[in-house]
Amino acid sequence: NAGVTQTPKFQVLKTGQSMTLQCAQDMNHNSMYWYRQDPGMGLRLIYYSASEGTTDKGEVPNGYNVSRLNKREFSLRLESAAPSQTSVYFCASSEFSREHQPQHFGDGTRLSIL
Amino acid sequence: DQQVKQNSPSLSVQEGRISILNCDYTNSMFDYFLWYKKYPAEGPTFLISISSIKDKNEDGRFTVFLNKSAKHLSLHIVPSQPGDSAVYFCAASGRGSSNTGKLIFGQGTTLQVKP
Repeated sequence: NAGVTQTPKFQVLKTGQSMTLQCAQDMNHNSMYWYRQDPGMGLRLIYYSASEGTTDKGEVPNGYNVSRLNKREFSLRLESAAPSQTSVYFCASSEFSREHQPQHFGDGTRLSIL
Repeated sequence: DQQVKQNSPSLSVQEGRISILNCDYTNSMFDYFLWYKKYPAEGPTFLISISSIKDKNEDGRFTVFLNKSAKHLSLHIVPSQPGDSAVYFCAASGRGSSNTGKLIFGQGTTLQVKP
């Protein structure tokens, strides 16, 4: 059972470069999320997609864009990378309906911006 | 404005003893609380949750207590084992985000269980 798969696992970029982080889930979940984790700050929500075809901003959306390609896939794009975007990025999914359900996370993408 | 706070960055306990991790929140709209466990180089793994209609939920060695009047929850691990050494995050979700399941996370507490 793969669960939530993130690619790549590691990436080093130069300031100003662009890249897309990929996320796919095989649990048939409706909702998907992108978080970043920085030391001492926990996980902060960047963007989320409550269902296929919808996306919304989270707590820290500046500098990012997202695409919900289909029910399985939710990508995060950095158009012009900045050193402040050096972080560990986590994708998550959940079967959220009227009742709360826990989110399931991938193993993260470690991104360094030089 | 940190809506979910874990004020203890780290905790060290002896194997076999109880571990108590604490979490405070400020938003009275939160109605669902979760604890996640995270090992290095892995993603967070769901551990246990509690709805605001309850004050306790138990799953094996793990128990979560919720005190709504104090806006405080705690995770008890009894007995603690070396494999429990990890970073623990509390998270909250609420009626204000009831259509999306968005979570607000605390900063995390690193638990070390010594053999």
